[in-house]
Amino acid sequence: NAGVTQTPKFQVLKTGQSMTLQCAQDMNHEYMSWYRQDPGMGLRLIHYSVGAGITDQGEVPNGYNVSRSTTEDFPLRLLSAAPSQTSVYFCASTNREGLYGYTFGSGTRLTVV
Amino acid sequence: AQTVTQSQPEMSVQEAETVTLSCTYDTSESDYYLFWYKQPPSRQMILVIRQEAYKQQNATENRFSVNFQKAAKSFSLKISDSQLGDAAMYFCAYWVYNNNDMRFGAGTRLTVKP
Repeated sequence: NAGVTQTPKFQVLKTGQSMTLQCAQDMNHEYMSWYRQDPGMGLRLIHYSVGAGITDQGEVPNGYNVSRSTTEDFPLRLLSAAPSQTSVYFCASTNREGLYGYTFGSGTRLTVV
Repeated sequence: AQTVTQSQPEMSVQEAETVTLSCTYDTSESDYYLFWYKQPPSRQMILVIRQEAYKQQNATENRFSVNFQKAAKSFSLKISDSQLGDAAMYFCAYWVYNNNDMRFGAGTRLTVKP
């Protein structure tokens, strides 16, 4: 089925470890974004991309890195995990017009101990 | 910066009754979209309804409708004939056309009582 594929679904990291959350979409969407969801705070934008080779920072970018080498893929890297990065992470995509909103991945629950 | 406010952290409704979830937003833009997303316990984000700011007519999708008041920057969601499957977190979101920066409210947790 077409959509946004996000892996892994669950992950436990030790403080200081690094990892990459994978995100791929097969809808040829120009726009892709990463959000984190924390209780009482809704979804906050980490990084976003408007096309291959173009990325920018969102509301809470510190401690995260992204790249967009292809239209399909938009991985999120945690450089040195901290307990404050314990959260649920969502990848999402849409076309430039955004008329139908985002299509979301199924989310990754990350725990940093 | 754009902000989205959902003033009701939790709401409860009896099955078959109607409930309204509130959302206000702050923006200086004139061309934008507004969305309501549902997040059931499965964690999946599901689009419920959308509204284009330039349209005066309120959007409707089956049992879901919105009350869009552009001047007041208000975008409430009405759920009619509530069903047990409507129980979820509901997020209001704002998106400026051609600008990849969707902003979300903190969410409202809706409980449906049988």
